[in-house]
Amino acid sequence: AQTVTQSQPEMSVQEAETVTLSCTYDTSENNYYLFWYKQPPSRQMILVIRQEAYKQQNATENRFSVNFQKAAKSFSLKISDSQLGDTAMYFCAFMTDWGAQKLVFGQGTRLTINP
Amino acid sequence: DVKVTQSSRYLVKRTGEKVFLECVQDMDHENMFWYRQDPGLGLRLIYFSYDVKMKEKGDIPEGYSVSREKKERFSLILESASTNQTSMYLCASSPGLTSYNEQFFGPGTRLTVL
Repeated sequence: AQTVTQSQPEMSVQEAETVTLSCTYDTSENNYYLFWYKQPPSRQMILVIRQEAYKQQNATENRFSVNFQKAAKSFSLKISDSQLGDTAMYFCAFMTDWGAQKLVFGQGTRLTINP
Repeated sequence: DVKVTQSSRYLVKRTGEKVFLECVQDMDHENMFWYRQDPGLGLRLIYFSYDVKMKEKGDIPEGYSVSREKKERFSLILESASTNQTSMYLCASSPGLTSYNEQFFGPGTRLTVL
């Protein structure tokens, strides 16, 4: 069974700083997908970024980028020039590339951006 | 925009009551999911469905059942609510066929069982 671990329950940075959220996972699969989801306070969960394991190039979406280290089974999220609106719970998630499209989530990291 | 709606944002029930949580999506998605979110545990999959009348157990199905009579609607049922089912419940949907499809989430239902 796959597991996802987020070892930072809470983080706090100043606005405009860069912050990195950590995620490690365990799987015996070779092909899979990884995701970062954001859950703002009292708002719906939304997808931030996704990575296909067979792609060596790290995914980027504007200020959000990942550092995907397949051998180390590590998938960190970097937020550059952080903004107050980035304050949220962030969840790392794993999905196999076969069978049912089930997501396995990490425990979450509560990120606070301070003015 | 994809829209996933859930019938209630907050719900308070008594132990032993039968509880229905409803989820509706408007994008003709094949897949629908019910998750439970607890602090320190993240989201855990309760049940999912990849077609009308089809259902599969997730990681924590005990104490829950589901119903999918129409493609757009997926219901989570607590046959006899217990205090340990107090939690946030999130519904999600996604298109079928490809694994890397984004799941779209509803706003969640915070259920308290007294």
